[in-house]
Amino acid sequence: LAKTTQPISMDSYEGQEVNITCSHNNIATNDYITWYQQFPSQGPRFIIQGYKTKVTNEVASLFIPADRKSSTLSLPRVSLSDTAVYYCLVGEDRMDSNYQLIWGAGTKLIIKP
Amino acid sequence: DADVTQTPRNRITKTGKRIMLECSQTKGHDRMYWYRQDPGLGLRLIYYSFDVKDINKGEISDGYSVSRQAQAKFSLSLESAIPNQTALYFCATSDPGRLEKLFFGSGTQLSVL
Repeated sequence: LAKTTQPISMDSYEGQEVNITCSHNNIATNDYITWYQQFPSQGPRFIIQGYKTKVTNEVASLFIPADRKSSTLSLPRVSLSDTAVYYCLVGEDRMDSNYQLIWGAGTKLIIKP
Repeated sequence: DADVTQTPRNRITKTGKRIMLECSQTKGHDRMYWYRQDPGLGLRLIYYSFDVKDINKGEISDGYSVSRQAQAKFSLSLESAIPNQTALYFCATSDPGRLEKLFFGSGTQLSVL
């Protein structure tokens, strides 16, 4: 199983760009990298997913180097409402019942005014 | 209306009682999951189901059971609740495919006294 390592917490200020890096040294060939956001007392919400290079959507960008042993979630111009816990997950979509997806403790991001 | 609905939102019960948490979804997804989250920790998988006839144990299934009554309904039972089952429980769904995404309900906060 590919285990991920993220910083426990980060602080930033409104209007700044925030980058959260996740380490996944044992990533397998078929694994995708997925990031979720969770607000207190709510279920996690999908943010972005990628396999290699760069992926961008209306919320964030995901940078994945060629060796895929790490990934960086980039949140442009954050606001107070981006204060949340961010989870990096690594796994593959298996069509059989051997489903395994491990959630770490995530990164608690606090945005200050 | 929420796509993934969990009931109840909050429940307080006593040790030894049988408890059922219910989940229903309108997303039309075949895959459904039950997770628990303890304070400051990531999510841990209890059970998952890839279709109505397919039920699988996750990493922490002891003390829990599930029932997949229909494609849209997936219930979690605690046959004899104990205090260390106090946690936030989430139901999730996903659609199989190469880019799997999980969609979560709002959670059930369960307290076992």
